Amino acid sequence: DAGVIQSPRHEVTEMGQEVTLRCKPISGHDYLFWYRQTMMRGLELLIYFNNNVPIDDSGMPEDRFSAKMPNASFSTLKIQPSEPRDSAVYFCASTPRDQETQYFGPGTRLLVL
Amino acid sequence: QKEVEQNSGPLSVPEGAIASLNCTYSDRGSQSFFWYRQYSGKSPELIMFIYSNGDKEDGRFTAQLNKASQYVSLLIRDSQPSDSATYLCAVGGSQGNLIFGKGTKLSVKP
Repeated sequence: DAGVIQSPRHEVTEMGQEVTLRCKPISGHDYLFWYRQTMMRGLELLIYFNNNVPIDDSGMPEDRFSAKMPNASFSTLKIQPSEPRDSAVYFCASTPRDQETQYFGPGTRLLVL
Repeated sequence: QKEVEQNSGPLSVPEGAIASLNCTYSDRGSQSFFWYRQYSGKSPELIMFIYSNGDKEDGRFTAQLNKASQYVSLLIRDSQPSDSATYLCAVGGSQGNLIFGKGTKLSVKP
């Protein structure tokens, strides 16, 4: 298996623009997690899904952030409008059923100017 | 709110020494514990997990768990410069999620 796939790997955009991050989990994994990592705040859980259903979105910072998982093999995290403080590395991770080990994707490095 | 605490470091050890990384957690009911390693600019990768009190060894790595003290540690024997990374402690939540600490940066000096 190719592991968790994220795209794009790097994104530079201007404040106010819409940003869409994409994730393909490992095939057969039931859980999908979106994280944001910064030096100041460490690794923060934004939202996670179980069998495509959002379980906990309490980590989503504000209404500018939204996430969807239309099927078992694809998820998006959207920021609209983006702000400079959204600059961070965004990771997607997935987990098989009945396990807790999370497998991380390579991350998307977002810079909002 | 469930919390996982780690000393941010940096922890500096000479090559060949034992590196000791520590983690405390707030939820006494936690049952699963994980150590991830993250190299600079890379994603976290699992090193070890532990569920029972005591020690669990895997090569140069030993995880230690003390549920009564709500304490988890990771020992790295014969530390190598390639072990220089940030080590993240994570504790299993109640709904399939993990709660991560902010990580300890380890530097192994040749």
